[in-house]
This record gives sequence, C-alpha cells and structure tokens, in this order.
Amino acid sequence: NAGVTQTPKFQVLKTGQSMTLQCAQDMNHEYMSWYRQDPGMGLRLIHYSVGAGITDQGEVPNGYNVSRSTTEDFPLRLLSAAPSQTSVYFCASSYSKENTEAFFGQGTRLTVV
Amino acid sequence: QQQVKQSPQSLIVQKGGISIINCAYENTAFDYFPWYQQFPGKGPALLIAIRPDVSEKKEGRFTISFNKSAKQFSLHIMDSQPGDSATYFCGANNLFFGTGTRLTVIP
Repeated sequence: NAGVTQTPKFQVLKTGQSMTLQCAQDMNHEYMSWYRQDPGMGLRLIHYSVGAGITDQGEVPNGYNVSRSTTEDFPLRLLSAAPSQTSVYFCASSYSKENTEAFFGQGTRLTVV
Repeated sequence: QQQVKQSPQSLIVQKGGISIINCAYENTAFDYFPWYQQFPGKGPALLIAIRPDVSEKKEGRFTISFNKSAKQFSLHIMDSQPGDSATYFCGANNLFFGTGTRLTVIP
C-alpha cells in the first residue's frame, strides 16, 4: 500500500518561479488537504478538498492554488514563489471530512531563494 | 487568535517516566481531537484521538484526558521509552494544530 505519495521530496526555486507539488493517494479517500510546517508554527492548513471538483481555503491560502479533478490527485501550485514560502509541505488524506484520521505523505522540503 | 495552544515546547523525560503534553482549544464546535507523532524527516502519523463525548481514552501506554468545560486536553505517555522520542502535535478537527512538543526520552 503506497498510501499518500508526494513528489518531489526536495525542491529549490528562485523567487518568482512557479511549480506544482504533486500529491496522490490510493486509499479512495474523499477528503484531501495541504499543510505547511514551519519551525515553531506547527502545521497550518493551506487548502483542502472534500471531493473531486470541490476545494476550499484553509488558514494560510495566499500564494497557493489547488484543483481536484480526480479522487486520487490533489496538486498544490505556487504561481510566483516567494522566500516566505520556504517550508516543508505535507499532503494528507482522510476517509471523510476533517474529523477522522489524516494520513500524511512524507513531505516536500521547498526552499525559495 | 490561536485556535489551539500547546505546551510545553520541549520535554525531557527519563526512561520509564511519565510524559505529559497539554493543549487548549478555542472553538467548541470542534469534535475531533487527535495527537500526531512525527519522527525527523517523516510525515506525522496518528497516535491517538478522542471525541468530546468521552473524558478519557487509553491505548496501551498512551492516554488522552479531555476536559470539555475547560476546553483542554492532554496526552499522557506512561513508561516513556527512548523510541518515543519524537515531536507531538495536538489538533482540532485536523483544521488547526498546536505548535508541537519535542519529546526526548533519556535512557
């Protein structure tokens, strides 16, 4: 069982560049979410999706876009990277809604220079 | 306003001792309070969770105590082991998380 798979594991971007962080899950979970983890800040929710075609903003959505065209995939797009987006990003999925166990991916460590 | 507050930031415990981490939340609409464990370089993984209709939940050496009126809950790790050394996050509905507690268990 692969669970939640994130790619890439590491990425360095220049300020202003764009990129997409990939997230895929093979558990047929309806609910998927993206978090960023910064030292001393814990996990903060960026965007989430309750099913294909439905997305919504979390606590820190600015600078990020998401879409959900399939149940399995939930990519996170940075349109114009900024140094403040240097962080570790985690994708997670849950069977249903936000009040059940979240299964996290291994994370993507992003550095914006 | 911070929705979930966690303390302490770091904790050092002797092997065999009890580790206690505390969290407080703001919104009474939350109905799921998980604790996640994270090892360096890995994603968080659910350790134990509780819903507000019970005051305590125990799974092996791990216990959550929940105080609905005070809007507080805590994680107790009994007989702490070096393998428990990790960062622990409390959460509310997976929407908001505490800032984490780095636990070190000394052999």
